[in-house]
Amino acid sequence: GPKVLQIPSHQIIDMGQMVTLNCDPVSNHLYFYWYKQILGQQMEFLVNFYNGKVMEKSKLFKDQFSVERPDGSYFTLKIQPTALEDSAVYFCASSLTANSDYTFGSGTRLLVI
Amino acid sequence: GEKVEQHESTLSVREGDSAVINCTYTDTASSYFPWYKQEAGKSLHFVIDIRSNVDRKQSQRLIVLLDKKAKRFSLHITATQPEDSAIYFCAVLAGSWQLIFGSGTQLTVMP
Repeated sequence: GPKVLQIPSHQIIDMGQMVTLNCDPVSNHLYFYWYKQILGQQMEFLVNFYNGKVMEKSKLFKDQFSVERPDGSYFTLKIQPTALEDSAVYFCASSLTANSDYTFGSGTRLLVI
Repeated sequence: GEKVEQHESTLSVREGDSAVINCTYTDTASSYFPWYKQEAGKSLHFVIDIRSNVDRKQSQRLIVLLDKKAKRFSLHITATQPEDSAIYFCAVLAGSWQLIFGSGTQLTVMP
């Protein structure tokens, strides 16, 4: 079936540096999401994005986080500066409508050292 | 805001038996309830969903039941197979935009 592609699959970065996680959503999907998962546990909602705008964000979406999708290219999550507690797997997802099933990418495993 | 509780953190069944995973939610306005499966080290895959206009949905060996009065929904996997072993997440669409996940159930199907 259709896939969400996430690049890179793994990233190790020094604390305080900037990191950009890239997501290529399913081509006809209109809604995009980022989730954070630590140690295979709870999937925590970070943010959703539609029509070029953030629609909702959670308390986990700190001021150091930002998302964008310039000109229909990658949907990106940028963390600047990174902190140790940002270490997690970040999953991108997309959906056709606001209340249809999500297609998830395979995740980016981020380690901040 | 919406809260989703997934009651079983682990579940072990014998191959061929049924497995049942239960979730409860808090917002009576919630109307969409999907389930996802995550195999070790992999991403989440959609398995089945149910909307609030029905109380039962079946797709092959998967059955979802929804009790709106009790704000409870459950996933039933019948005739389990070893390849059903994974973490299963329930989820609820909160408001218009957020899918809120339960904490996951590690299902082990023993041969």
